[in-house]
Amino acid sequence: GEDVEQSLFLSVREGDSSVINCTYTDSSSTYLYWYKQEPGAGLQLLTYIFSNMDMKQDQRLTVLLNKKDKHLSLRIADTQTGDSAIYFCARGGSSASKIIFGSGTRLSIRP
Amino acid sequence: DTAVSQTPKYLVTQMGNDKSIKCEQNLGHDTMYWYKQDSKKFLKIMFSYNNKELIINETVPNRFSPKSPDKAHLNLHINSLELGDSAVYFCASSPGQGRGYTFGSGTRLTVV
Repeated sequence: GEDVEQSLFLSVREGDSSVINCTYTDSSSTYLYWYKQEPGAGLQLLTYIFSNMDMKQDQRLTVLLNKKDKHLSLRIADTQTGDSAIYFCARGGSSASKIIFGSGTRLSIRP
Repeated sequence: DTAVSQTPKYLVTQMGNDKSIKCEQNLGHDTMYWYKQDSKKFLKIMFSYNNKELIINETVPNRFSPKSPDKAHLNLHINSLELGDSAVYFCASSPGQGRGYTFGSGTRLTVV
């Protein structure tokens, strides 16, 4: 994930909002993704956003894209213990070409 | 009804052995992938096949050989296993048009 960067850890209190940030370098990225990986499991696609969008909301999840700054964020409202996982930011092109993943942000929830 | 299934889930083997990991998807997707996840959770693409044709082959040692007998299957064969091959290997499939991947649950390979 050398061209998709994320901070490694985030700790939030249960019930608060979590904001996970990501930056990328390739401005030709057409799609940007957020995946969730729980322990011992594969990656689950949470949401994705087209590069011509600024925001996408899906229940507790809000994705914000600042294309000028190449910055993507994922906000999880009312964070619950079940949200504990590693969250991966990723970028891809317009076809089924490869998706480049960030190094993942480990979200931990404290009571 | 598992969408992308990999076998085995765990694989422990000695250095120098040859092993295979199998992957099958029942989603009707045209494209399948192998990714390697190291101990720091970093994910790196290895191979991609589209309708049985190799389309992505990253810088992977030629001890790794993918095989796609049909578009629903993508297997990974590894010869002469080395300690550094220890990792979790994920299979994934995609319908294309940027709609992301569906991942299998991974195969944890440990080389001793």
